[in-house]
Amino acid sequence: QSVLTQPPSASGTPGQRVTISCSGSSSNIGSNYVYWYQQVPGTAPKLLIYRNNERPSGVPDRFSGSKSGTSASLAISGLRSEDEADYYCAAWDDSLSGHVFGGGTKLTVL
Amino acid sequence: EVQLLESGGGLVQPGGSLRLSCAASGFTFSSYVMSWVRQAPGKGLEWVSTFSGSADSTYYADSVKGRFTISRDNSKNTLYLQMNSLRAEDTAVYYCAKMGILGVTGAFDIWGQGTMVTVSS
Repeated sequence: QSVLTQPPSASGTPGQRVTISCSGSSSNIGSNYVYWYQQVPGTAPKLLIYRNNERPSGVPDRFSGSKSGTSASLAISGLRSEDEADYYCAAWDDSLSGHVFGGGTKLTVL
Repeated sequence: EVQLLESGGGLVQPGGSLRLSCAASGFTFSSYVMSWVRQAPGKGLEWVSTFSGSADSTYYADSVKGRFTISRDNSKNTLYLQMNSLRAEDTAVYYCAKMGILGVTGAFDIWGQGTMVTVSS
C-alpha cells in the first residue's frame, strides 16, 4: 500500500486532456513539494514536474502540475501516443524522514 | 552529458550480500546528494536510501534499515549500496539517482538505467 494514492489507470484519445490525481497527507504533500515522474515501460523513470508545477528543460508545456492542500494533480493536454507510460507522484514525508511515491498510474492513449 | 551507470546486480541467495555501484559522470559528483530507488518486477517505485554527504546524513526506508548501507567515494565519483541479509522481497531493479538543487528532500532529477537484483535459492 503506497503512502500517496493515485488511480491505477487513466486513458484518453489523441488531442484530449487528461488529469492524474495524487492524494497524500499533511506530512508529505501538505508540507512539501510534489514531483512527477514518467516511466515508459522497460526504461528508467524521468523527472517530469518538480516543485509542484515546474518543468525541467525539454519537457513539453503540454505537461503541467498543480497542488492544493494535501492533493496534487498532473495534467497532460494535447495527448499524444508517445505519452503512453506510467506516471508516479512523489514527495518527501516529514514523519517518515524519507521519500514516498504513489503507486503509479498507467496512461493508455486509445 | 550527465550519466549514471549502475553495476553489481545479480542472483544471490536469501541471507546473502551484494554491493551495488553507481558511476557518475558529467557533473560535479561531490556537490550533489545521491539516492537509490528500487522497483520490484511489475510494481511501482520505492525509495531505498539517500546520502547527503556525511555518514550522519543518511536516510533509509524502514524496509531496508539495518540491512543496507549507502556510501560514496567522491574521489571515484561513485555511489554504493551495500546490501546484507537479503530477502526475496528485495528482488528489484535498483536505480541510482542524482538529487536536484533542494538536496535531500528534492527531486530525483537524473536516473541511471538500473541494475537487477534477484534474491532466490
